[in-house]
Amino acid sequence: GEDVEQSLFLSVREGDSSVINCTYTDSSSTYLYWYKQEPGAGLQLLTYIFSNMDMKQDQRLTVLLNKKDKHLSLRIADTQTGDSAIYFCAEGMDSNYQLIWGAGTKLIIKP
Amino acid sequence: KAGVTQTPRYLIKTRGQQVTLSCSPISGHRSVSWYQQTPGQGLQFLFEYFSETQRNKGNFPGRFSGRQFSNSRSEMNVSTLELGDSALYLCASGKGAAGELFFGEGSRLTVL
Repeated sequence: GEDVEQSLFLSVREGDSSVINCTYTDSSSTYLYWYKQEPGAGLQLLTYIFSNMDMKQDQRLTVLLNKKDKHLSLRIADTQTGDSAIYFCAEGMDSNYQLIWGAGTKLIIKP
Repeated sequence: KAGVTQTPRYLIKTRGQQVTLSCSPISGHRSVSWYQQTPGQGLQFLFEYFSETQRNKGNFPGRFSGRQFSNSRSEMNVSTLELGDSALYLCASGKGAAGELFFGEGSRLTVL
């Protein structure tokens, strides 16, 4: 069946790069998304990548997609305390808002 | 441009009661989705409305219902509340062919 998997926690030092990984199973997915949720808040769309791309960069964020292995990663350069949050990976189809979500990775920043 | 607005933000109910949550999407967005978020189950899709029609539905009992009005505002209702319904209920409005979702801050429901 359809499933999106992420590790539950990642701990990094302030200033280092964070790499959050995700695997998905639905090869027909058109888009893959990264959302961020800060404590007590809703989810914020960080970025998304179209399935025929293998990389997308947006300021400190780099998304890498390995479609063959169904592996998606989010790299955050120069991680700051404000990056502390839960990061969700999700997959979806064209104009279909019923996304399939991972359980979220909690990013912990060590001083 | 105003974001997605959910009301109320917090509410406490007792078992057996019912609750109605409201969501105003971003202006111009016609799709509204509802999610339940709990520590144990994570994010679970409830339903999606588009132009007043329920287009997709998740695997929740019939106690969970929703509707969308002609101005795209949406409400969801949970009847005969159970303790397990305690959760953060998130609403998201959708835009674009890439399926981007824009979330509200959520309504945190506690059932006692």
